[in-house]
Amino acid sequence: EDQVTQSPEALRLQEGESSSLNCSYTVSGLRGLFWYRQDPGKGPEFLFTLYSAGEEKEKERLKATLTKKESFLHITAPKPEDSATYLCAVREGNTGFQKLVFGTGTRLLVSP
Amino acid sequence: DGGITQSPKYLFRKEGQNVTLSCEQNLNHDAMYWYRQDPGQGLRLIYYSQIVNDFQKGDIAEGYSVSREKKESFPLTVTSAQKNPTAFYLCASSIPASHSNQPQHFGDGTRLSIL
Repeated sequence: EDQVTQSPEALRLQEGESSSLNCSYTVSGLRGLFWYRQDPGKGPEFLFTLYSAGEEKEKERLKATLTKKESFLHITAPKPEDSATYLCAVREGNTGFQKLVFGTGTRLLVSP
Repeated sequence: DGGITQSPKYLFRKEGQNVTLSCEQNLNHDAMYWYRQDPGQGLRLIYYSQIVNDFQKGDIAEGYSVSREKKESFPLTVTSAQKNPTAFYLCASSIPASHSNQPQHFGDGTRLSIL
């Protein structure tokens, strides 16, 4: 069974304190790994898509990387506005449509 | 601006009542999806539709129904058969699955509670 596991469940950082979030996955035929940001009471907002091991994407203070078994979301010098839940999802290769399997997310709190 | 609009933002259901959640998109996407989000769980797929007049059950379709009469609209009905409907419901859309590098885009959800 396809699985996506995110860790830690929650992370508290001081402003400027860099860290990484982990997303490990087991899926038959990865066809894409997606990172989303979700604010309380809102829908997920797309951040990155990664396809192959070694791929990296960056956006402001965020950098996503991918290996054959996991992805990391690195947050450099975070600010309070980076506080949110970060979701990871993988698209499996056995279906003819874009079925995504989601992790449970990492709740990030950045204190001033 | 293009996007996905879900309404209402909050909805309350009485025992034995069916309720319908609205989802409208102006992104010209062919595919649309409904997810349910519960605390401590990942998003779970309820139904999806790849084209107008066609839809398929997802992983947790029991107690739910959908229709896809227009490209822009994909309403979800939570029936009285769904015994645990309290959750945050999210609608998403995307271009066809053959374009696997394109993400799903989400609306801002409807929170359904039991009265």
